[in-house]
Amino acid sequence: DTGVSQDPRHKITKRGQNVTFRCDPISEHNRLYWYRQTLGQGPEFLTYFQNEAQLEKSRLLSDRFSAERPKGSFSTLEIQRTEQGDSAMYLCASSLRGTMLSGDTQYFGPGTRLTVL
Amino acid sequence: EDKVVQSPLSLVVHEGDTVTLNCSYEVTNFRSLLWYKQEKKAPTFLFMLTSSGIEKKSGRLSSILDKKELFSILNITATQTGDSAVYLCAVDGSSNTGKLIFGQGTTLQVKP
Repeated sequence: DTGVSQDPRHKITKRGQNVTFRCDPISEHNRLYWYRQTLGQGPEFLTYFQNEAQLEKSRLLSDRFSAERPKGSFSTLEIQRTEQGDSAMYLCASSLRGTMLSGDTQYFGPGTRLTVL
Repeated sequence: EDKVVQSPLSLVVHEGDTVTLNCSYEVTNFRSLLWYKQEKKAPTFLFMLTSSGIEKKSGRLSSILDKKELFSILNITATQTGDSAVYLCAVDGSSNTGKLIFGQGTTLQVKP
């Protein structure tokens, strides 16, 4: 399978615990995005990387959230001191940087569903 | 603030019907509009639209963009139960970051 993969697919944790998710993008893609999706809503942008550089972070991303892409390949998203409001589906997407005019086509992974008890 | 609005939010039809899903947007630096299909898992890519008036077609699905009126439609003809899903519209309104702004989605249920 050469698509975007994410691990784990499901995570249940207790409030206050730290969790870490992993995303492996499509191999030749240089851009990687994290989104969060809650029930009945569309995905909301969290952050993105071009190669190993984190170039933009949403205001939604509190200081409890940190993301890395150390070698420009896989990425991790860590949430410290989880809260019940963090319960959501965390989606990763990757793309190959498009032209200035056309934009990117982002391909999504299966997501990690986080439940904070 | 950039935003994307989809309508209707939900729709129930019978197999064989034709449906039209709507997406309107307000963004500062439009680059592209994308449609995705989501079936209890990751959104799967359907279309990317960048130019007005050019229809994109894939089987029974088609989509078109109107950059003057700031909207897009997704048409599905001869619907099947397998078309039941949430259809998401997203706009790249970034200054080359590729960040997508999504609408709430339209939940389509196709009954046999």
